[in-house]
Amino acid sequence: YELTQPPSVSVSPGQTAIITCSGESLGDQYTSWYQHKPGQAPILVIYQDSKRPSGIPERFSGSNSGSTTALTISGTQAVDEADYYCLAWDSTSVVFGGGTKLTV
Amino acid sequence: QVTLKESGPVLVKPTETLTLTCTVSGFSLSSGNLGISWFRQPPGKALEWLAHVFSNGEESYRTSLKNRLTISKDSSKSHVVLTMTNVDPVDTATYYCTRWGGAVDFDYWGQGTPVTVSS
Repeated sequence: YELTQPPSVSVSPGQTAIITCSGESLGDQYTSWYQHKPGQAPILVIYQDSKRPSGIPERFSGSNSGSTTALTISGTQAVDEADYYCLAWDSTSVVFGGGTKLTV
Repeated sequence: QVTLKESGPVLVKPTETLTLTCTVSGFSLSSGNLGISWFRQPPGKALEWLAHVFSNGEESYRTSLKNRLTISKDSSKSHVVLTMTNVDPVDTATYYCTRWGGAVDFDYWGQGTPVTVSS
């Protein structure tokens, strides 16, 4: 079981960035998303497909349809430049996407 | 305040055993529906999941590393230990521990600890 993400996404400041995550059984389970900047700890930005933890800006949103989930960043800012990873569970094992480098 | 802190050797020799400790505070490892995972990031590469221990002690491992990894927890000491046997230079990475908060997935992460495997 694998999760497939595009290696890179590039947007201009203020535009909308969409990062996808594809997997065979994604429609049947929840996905979470993580932001990771060099030298820092990863940060949870979306859980249960579309919920935002406290402290995460409203411009971050998530969706799940069929075998693809997506992380959307509206009004992308320079501070959002980072690697983003999707995650799902396969029974008791974690399945992690290969990561997408977002360039702003 | 929930915190996790990784510790362990910075340098290990090939074929040796690597032991990493995750020390947690602000919550109990014996609390229901909580767990701890270890991830790593080799230089220039993506994060990858390694192992998980559930609150009931059940363990889960990355398939490709299952024979080399052991994860265990000591709730009384608020520690989770990851052991990796027979290390190789490809195991050079920054290792992170993270709390699984149930429905919220991995909500708190440590800052990571760098490990270099070299003779």
